[in-house]
Amino acid sequence: GENVEQHPSTLSVQEGDSAVIKCTYSDSASNYFPWYKQELGKRPQLIIDIRSNVGEKKDQRIAVTLNKTAKHFSLHITETQPEDSAVYFCAASIGNSGYALNFGKGTSLLVTP
Amino acid sequence: DSGVTQTPKHLITATGQRVTLRCSPRSGDLSVYWYQQSLDQGLQFLIQYYNGEERAKGNILERFSAQQFPDLHSELNLSSLELGDSALYFCASSVASGSAEQYFGPGTRLTVT
Repeated sequence: GENVEQHPSTLSVQEGDSAVIKCTYSDSASNYFPWYKQELGKRPQLIIDIRSNVGEKKDQRIAVTLNKTAKHFSLHITETQPEDSAVYFCAASIGNSGYALNFGKGTSLLVTP
Repeated sequence: DSGVTQTPKHLITATGQRVTLRCSPRSGDLSVYWYQQSLDQGLQFLIQYYNGEERAKGNILERFSAQQFPDLHSELNLSSLELGDSALYFCASSVASGSAEQYFGPGTRLTVT
C-alpha cells in the first residue's frame, strides 16, 4: 500500500529551541495532510493541517509546509515548551477515499527545561 | 474532549472470542473512521463509513467487520481473536462534507490473552 515515512523517530530539544519533523508520502492522489499530537495514554489530537493547494500554514508557534512536487511536508514548532513533549504523527489522505488517513510511524518529541 | 465517545474503555478477552467496540461520533458528524494502533504497526486505517454506507476500506482483516447505524453510531466487530489483535482501537469522526478534519475518540484498549 501507499506509505508515509516520518523522520526522525525521536527528537530531543531544549526549551525555547525549534523542532522540525519531516514526512514524505507516495500517493499522488493525497490532498490533505494533518498533524496529530498524542500524549501518553491519550487520543491523537489534531493540531494543524494543510491541503494540497496551499504551500504553508501557520498557527501561533506551529507551522506546516508542503512541497507537493517532492511529496514532502514538514511540521515546525518554534519556542518549544515542556508541554510540547508528546508523540507527533503526520498523515496523508488516501486518494479517493473520503479523507481516510495513512499515518507516519510517529516522532517522540522531548522538550527539556 | 473531542465529543467522540467510545465504549468500552478496556476489554480483556481470550483468543478465539468475539468482541464489539462501539463509537458515537460528534453531534452532526456523518463520517466515522476506525483505526488500529499497535506498537509494531503504528496507526492503521481499518474502515470508514459515511451516513450508514461503507465509504473506504483499509487494512481490515476478514475476521473484522463494522457497520454504521441510522443514529450514526458505529460498531466494530472483531472475531476469532488472536494475540496479535491486542491494540488500541480508535474511532474518529468528521462532517465529511467538504471537511476533512477528523476528531478521535478516547479509544478502546483490547487485550487478547
